[in-house]
Amino acid sequence: AQTVTQSQPEMSVQEAETVTLSCTYDTSENNYYLFWYKQPPSRQMILVIRQEAYKQQNATENRFSVNFQKAAKSFSLKISDSQLGDTAMYFCAFMRGNFNKFYFGSGTKLNVKP
Amino acid sequence: SQTIHQWPATLVQPVGSPLSLECTVEGTSNPNLYWYRQAAGRGLQLLFYSVGIGQISSEVPQNLSASRPQDRQFILSSKKLLLSDSGFYLCAWSDGTGNYGYTFGSGTRLTVV
Repeated sequence: AQTVTQSQPEMSVQEAETVTLSCTYDTSENNYYLFWYKQPPSRQMILVIRQEAYKQQNATENRFSVNFQKAAKSFSLKISDSQLGDTAMYFCAFMRGNFNKFYFGSGTKLNVKP
Repeated sequence: SQTIHQWPATLVQPVGSPLSLECTVEGTSNPNLYWYRQAAGRGLQLLFYSVGIGQISSEVPQNLSASRPQDRQFILSSKKLLLSDSGFYLCAWSDGTGNYGYTFGSGTRLTVV
Protein backbone atom coordinates (compact mmCIF):
# COMPACT_ATOMS: atom_id res chain seq x y z
CA ALA A 1 0.00 0.00 0.00
CA GLN A 2 1.06 3.53 -0.66
CA THR A 3 1.32 6.02 2.21
CA VAL A 4 2.15 9.70 2.24
CA THR A 5 3.39 11.39 5.41
CA GLN A 6 3.55 15.09 6.16
CA SER A 7 5.15 15.43 9.57
CA GLN A 8 4.59 19.16 10.01
CA PRO A 9 0.94 19.88 10.89
CA GLU A 10 1.54 23.63 10.99
CA MET A 11 4.31 26.07 10.06
CA SER A 12 4.83 29.81 10.04
CA VAL A 13 7.10 32.01 7.95
CA GLN A 14 7.70 35.71 7.66
CA GLU A 15 6.74 37.40 4.45
CA ALA A 16 9.60 37.39 1.87
CA GLU A 17 11.41 34.54 3.61
CA THR A 18 11.85 30.95 2.46
CA VAL A 19 10.09 27.93 3.92
CA THR A 20 10.36 24.20 3.23
CA LEU A 21 7.50 21.76 3.72
CA SER A 22 8.36 18.09 4.16
CA CYS A 23 6.78 15.02 2.62
CA THR A 24 7.81 11.40 2.64
CA TYR A 25 6.11 8.48 0.96
CA ASP A 26 6.30 4.76 0.93
CA THR A 27 5.95 2.68 -2.21
CA SER A 28 7.43 -0.31 -3.96
CA GLU A 29 6.63 1.19 -7.34
CA ASN A 30 9.33 2.54 -9.61
CA ASN A 31 7.11 4.60 -11.89
CA TYR A 32 5.00 7.22 -10.15
CA TYR A 33 4.19 10.90 -9.88
CA LEU A 34 4.29 13.31 -6.98
CA PHE A 35 2.32 16.50 -6.53
CA TRP A 36 1.88 19.42 -4.19
CA TYR A 37 -1.56 20.98 -3.87
CA LYS A 38 -2.49 24.21 -2.15
CA GLN A 39 -5.83 24.73 -0.41
CA PRO A 40 -6.38 28.38 0.60
CA PRO A 41 -9.17 29.45 2.97
CA SER A 42 -11.58 29.31 0.02
CA ARG A 43 -10.93 25.52 0.13
CA GLN A 44 -10.38 25.34 -3.62
CA MET A 45 -7.66 22.78 -4.35
CA ILE A 46 -4.96 24.20 -6.60
CA LEU A 47 -2.12 22.25 -8.20
CA VAL A 48 1.20 23.86 -7.27
CA ILE A 49 3.82 21.58 -8.78
CA ARG A 50 4.35 18.06 -10.06
CA GLN A 51 7.30 15.69 -10.39
CA GLU A 52 7.73 12.49 -12.38
CA ALA A 53 9.73 9.88 -10.51
CA TYR A 54 11.83 8.99 -13.53
CA LYS A 55 13.10 12.56 -13.84
CA GLN A 56 16.12 13.37 -11.71
CA GLN A 57 15.79 17.09 -12.24
CA ASN A 58 13.78 18.83 -9.56
CA ALA A 59 10.63 20.58 -10.76
CA THR A 60 10.35 24.36 -10.46
CA GLU A 61 7.37 26.68 -10.88
CA ASN A 62 8.26 30.31 -10.27
CA ARG A 63 8.76 30.68 -6.48
CA PHE A 64 7.96 27.00 -5.85
CA SER A 65 10.51 24.24 -6.20
CA VAL A 66 10.87 20.70 -4.96
CA ASN A 67 13.70 18.63 -3.57
CA PHE A 68 13.00 15.13 -4.83
CA GLN A 69 15.13 12.41 -3.24
CA LYS A 70 13.93 9.17 -4.78
CA ALA A 71 16.13 6.83 -2.77
CA ALA A 72 15.03 8.46 0.45
CA LYS A 73 11.42 8.69 -0.77
CA SER A 74 11.33 12.34 0.11
CA PHE A 75 9.58 15.14 -1.74
CA SER A 76 9.84 18.52 -0.04
CA LEU A 77 8.40 21.81 -1.27
CA LYS A 78 10.38 25.03 -1.01
CA ILE A 79 8.56 28.33 -1.23
CA SER A 80 10.84 31.29 -1.84
CA ASP A 81 9.98 34.94 -1.20
CA SER A 82 6.85 33.91 0.71
CA GLN A 83 3.78 36.05 0.12
CA LEU A 84 0.67 36.56 2.22
CA GLY A 85 -1.30 34.78 -0.49
CA ASP A 86 0.71 31.63 0.14
CA THR A 87 -1.16 31.16 3.42
CA ALA A 88 -2.97 27.85 2.93
CA MET A 89 -3.03 24.14 3.63
CA TYR A 90 -0.51 22.28 1.51
CA PHE A 91 -1.03 18.66 0.57
CA CYS A 92 1.52 16.27 -0.80
CA ALA A 93 0.10 13.60 -3.11
CA PHE A 94 1.38 10.38 -4.70
CA MET A 95 0.07 8.68 -7.81
CA ARG A 96 1.13 5.34 -9.17
CA GLY A 97 2.21 5.39 -12.77
CA ASN A 98 -0.18 2.79 -14.04
CA PHE A 99 -3.28 3.73 -12.13
CA ASN A 100 -4.91 7.07 -11.80
CA LYS A 101 -5.58 7.27 -8.07
CA PHE A 102 -4.03 9.74 -5.67
CA TYR A 103 -2.91 9.21 -2.12
CA PHE A 104 -2.79 12.41 -0.09
CA GLY A 105 -0.84 13.34 3.00
CA SER A 106 -2.58 14.85 6.00
CA GLY A 107 -1.53 18.37 5.06
CA THR A 108 0.62 21.20 6.45
CA LYS A 109 -1.01 24.46 7.41
CA LEU A 110 1.27 27.32 6.36
CA ASN A 111 0.81 30.76 7.82
CA VAL A 112 2.69 33.63 6.18
CA LYS A 113 3.10 36.52 8.60
CA PRO A 114 3.42 40.15 7.52
CA SER B 1 -10.91 24.42 -21.88
CA GLN B 2 -12.09 21.96 -19.30
CA THR B 3 -14.22 23.02 -16.37
CA ILE B 4 -15.72 21.19 -13.45
CA HIS B 5 -18.91 22.23 -11.71
CA GLN B 6 -20.01 21.05 -8.31
CA TRP B 7 -23.17 21.98 -6.45
CA PRO B 8 -24.58 22.97 -4.11
CA ALA B 9 -21.82 24.95 -2.39
CA THR B 10 -23.40 24.66 1.03
CA LEU B 11 -25.99 22.28 2.39
CA VAL B 12 -27.58 21.80 5.80
CA GLN B 13 -29.60 18.60 6.14
CA PRO B 14 -31.32 16.87 9.05
CA VAL B 15 -30.26 13.44 10.20
CA GLY B 16 -32.10 10.75 8.27
CA SER B 17 -32.73 12.87 5.20
CA PRO B 18 -31.49 11.90 1.71
CA LEU B 19 -28.53 13.48 -0.04
CA SER B 20 -27.64 14.18 -3.64
CA LEU B 21 -24.51 16.07 -4.65
CA GLU B 22 -23.77 16.56 -8.31
CA CYS B 23 -20.60 17.09 -10.26
CA THR B 24 -20.26 17.67 -13.99
CA VAL B 25 -17.26 18.15 -16.22
CA GLU B 26 -17.19 20.10 -19.45
CA GLY B 27 -14.68 20.21 -22.29
CA THR B 28 -13.43 16.65 -22.11
CA SER B 29 -14.67 13.14 -22.70
CA ASN B 30 -14.32 9.94 -20.71
CA PRO B 31 -12.75 11.59 -17.67
CA ASN B 32 -11.86 9.71 -14.52
CA LEU B 33 -14.05 11.09 -11.75
CA TYR B 34 -13.55 11.12 -7.99
CA TRP B 35 -15.36 12.00 -4.79
CA TYR B 36 -13.30 12.99 -1.75
CA ARG B 37 -14.35 13.98 1.75
CA GLN B 38 -12.38 16.30 3.98
CA ALA B 39 -13.15 16.55 7.67
CA ALA B 40 -12.41 19.89 9.34
CA GLY B 41 -8.66 20.54 9.44
CA ARG B 42 -7.92 17.11 8.05
CA GLY B 43 -6.67 15.48 4.89
CA LEU B 44 -8.62 14.11 1.97
CA GLN B 45 -10.26 10.72 2.04
CA LEU B 46 -11.10 9.09 -1.28
CA LEU B 47 -14.69 7.87 -1.23
CA PHE B 48 -15.42 6.75 -4.78
CA TYR B 49 -13.86 6.83 -8.20
CA SER B 50 -15.09 6.03 -11.68
CA VAL B 51 -13.25 5.29 -14.88
CA GLY B 52 -16.37 5.09 -17.06
CA ILE B 53 -20.16 5.23 -17.21
CA GLY B 54 -21.69 2.91 -14.66
CA GLN B 55 -18.28 1.92 -13.28
CA ILE B 56 -17.96 2.83 -9.60
CA SER B 57 -15.29 1.75 -7.17
CA SER B 58 -15.75 2.32 -3.46
CA GLU B 59 -12.75 2.94 -1.24
CA VAL B 60 -14.33 2.76 2.18
CA PRO B 61 -17.54 1.22 3.51
CA GLN B 62 -19.92 3.96 4.47
CA ASN B 63 -23.37 5.39 4.35
CA LEU B 64 -22.84 6.90 0.91
CA SER B 65 -23.09 5.70 -2.68
CA ALA B 66 -22.07 7.10 -6.04
CA SER B 67 -23.37 6.86 -9.56
CA ARG B 68 -22.23 7.90 -13.00
CA PRO B 69 -25.30 8.04 -15.23
CA GLN B 70 -23.55 9.97 -17.98
CA ASP B 71 -19.96 10.27 -19.15
CA ARG B 72 -19.33 13.60 -17.47
CA GLN B 73 -21.71 13.42 -14.54
CA PHE B 74 -20.89 12.03 -11.11
CA ILE B 75 -23.40 11.92 -8.28
CA LEU B 76 -22.86 11.30 -4.58
CA SER B 77 -25.92 10.08 -2.70
CA SER B 78 -27.22 8.85 0.60
CA LYS B 79 -30.61 7.47 1.53
CA LYS B 80 -30.35 8.52 5.18
CA LEU B 81 -27.71 10.95 6.39
CA LEU B 82 -25.82 10.45 9.64
CA LEU B 83 -24.17 13.15 11.75
CA SER B 84 -20.82 11.64 10.81
CA ASP B 85 -21.49 12.43 7.15
CA SER B 86 -20.82 16.12 7.83
CA GLY B 87 -17.77 17.44 6.04
CA PHE B 88 -16.43 19.09 2.95
CA TYR B 89 -16.96 17.09 -0.23
CA LEU B 90 -14.78 17.56 -3.26
CA CYS B 91 -15.29 16.24 -6.75
CA ALA B 92 -12.30 15.92 -9.07
CA TRP B 93 -11.50 14.74 -12.55
CA SER B 94 -8.40 13.65 -14.43
CA ASP B 95 -7.68 12.84 -18.05
CA GLY B 96 -7.12 9.15 -17.53
CA THR B 97 -3.37 9.37 -17.53
CA GLY B 98 -3.14 11.27 -14.29
CA ASN B 99 -0.01 12.90 -15.57
CA TYR B 100 -1.36 16.36 -14.98
CA GLY B 101 -2.96 15.75 -11.65
CA TYR B 102 -6.50 16.24 -10.60
CA THR B 103 -8.69 19.24 -11.27
CA PHE B 104 -10.99 19.81 -8.34
CA GLY B 105 -14.43 21.31 -8.09
CA SER B 106 -15.09 24.10 -5.62
CA GLY B 107 -16.53 21.74 -3.02
CA THR B 108 -19.73 21.30 -1.01
CA ARG B 109 -19.85 22.00 2.69
CA LEU B 110 -22.37 19.55 4.18
CA THR B 111 -23.63 19.95 7.72
CA VAL B 112 -25.90 17.26 9.08
CA VAL B 113 -27.95 18.47 12.06
